[in-house]
This record gives sequence, structure tokens and C-alpha cells, in this order.
Amino acid sequence: QVQLQESGPGLVKPSETLSLTCAVSGYSISSGSYWGWIRQPPGKGLEWIGNIYHSGSTYYNPSLKSRVTMSVDTSKNQFSLKLSSVTAADTAVYYCARRLGDYADYWGQGTLVTVSS
Amino acid sequence: DIQMTQSPSSLSASVGDRVTITCRASQSISIYLNWYQQKTGKAPKLLIYTASSLQSGVPSRFSGSGSGTDFTLTISRLQPEDFATYYCQQSYSTLWTFGQGTKVEIK
Repeated sequence: QVQLQESGPGLVKPSETLSLTCAVSGYSISSGSYWGWIRQPPGKGLEWIGNIYHSGSTYYNPSLKSRVTMSVDTSKNQFSLKLSSVTAADTAVYYCARRLGDYADYWGQGTLVTVSS
Repeated sequence: DIQMTQSPSSLSASVGDRVTITCRASQSISIYLNWYQQKTGKAPKLLIYTASSLQSGVPSRFSGSGSGTDFTLTISRLQPEDFATYYCQQSYSTLWTFGQGTKVEIK
């Protein structure tokens, strides 16, 4: 069974960088598939942040592209998200997911990140 | 970006009811449309992929149809565990986008 688990600070100060990691178990990242990050502000809908392939190739949502960096560590079977210059608008539950072809079939439980001083 | 619009935004229904949720894309997306169910405090769960394929383990009372710009999610007989928010999502373009969600509440 594929499982994903997000981890990282739950509180980030404005203008700083949000950093999250998604640990994958039950499936080797090196086997293929894209790996994605999605966020959901409290009480609102879902926004796709971007994807990364095991080779390290990435695609970022153009609306966030200037602030987003994703990376993958195949030795640890995990991938990461960095979002710089955060503001209160970046407060959200952040999910990681496996993107299998045309759909996301496995999701992490999500982690709430609050941007506040 | 491809805009996805769901209707209704919310609905009230009773156990046993047939429920239909629609999703419209701002341009043709062929069959690249997925449906997710999200319960409060939980991650979205894939129900239907590529418009009409049922994800493994999902009850057969869920079905999807459509192509091009108009899609439908149907729950044939609503069960207590189906009260949740449902999202459509297109995977036609490189940037995946979601509908705003449809909240299914108990009448």
C-alpha cells in the first residue's frame, strides 16, 4: 500500500521560506510517476502547486513559479517543497500526492502551515 | 488556465436519494476529468478518473460520465458515508485545475 506523509514546520513567519517534505512508503519514487504538491486554504478549494519526476524535472503552477522549488531525494524516497517569501495568503493545508498518469491516486494526510508573525 | 465550474455549490439530500453533480470546463478537455471526495479534515480521495473509470475500491453506486466540456458525477443511492464535498479536476492541460467543490449535506 502506497503511503505519503508530509512533515515540516506548522508556523512560518511572513517573508520567510516554507519547507515541507513528503516521505513515500510502499512504492519507490525511482520506479516512475510524478509527485505533486497541492494546497487548500482554510475553508476553500484545492490548488495544484506543481509536480516533480524522479529524475528531478519539474513543473510549477505559473502563479507560484517565481517562489516555488521542488526537489527529490531518491535515496530517502522522499520529495520536498520550498515556497519563498510567504504571506498570510499562503496559509493552507499542504498535501503531497502521487500523480499516476492523468490522476492523483494517493495523497498524504495533509499538514497545516500557518503564516504569522 | 482551464476553469472548472461545478454546480450546484451545495445540495441537501436524504439517504437513498440519487444525486447528480455537474462540472463544466472552460474549454474542451476530452475525457481528462477526475472526481474526488473530501471529508472534513481529510485528504481528497480519488473516486472516478478519466471521466468514467471507477477507482479500485470505490463503491459502484458512484459513476461518472461526459466528455468535452460537460461532465457528471452520479451517486445512485446516497449512503450516510457519502456526505462530503466533491471536487472535479481536469488533467488535460499541464496545469491541473479543480472545480470549486460541491458540498453534499444531509436533508
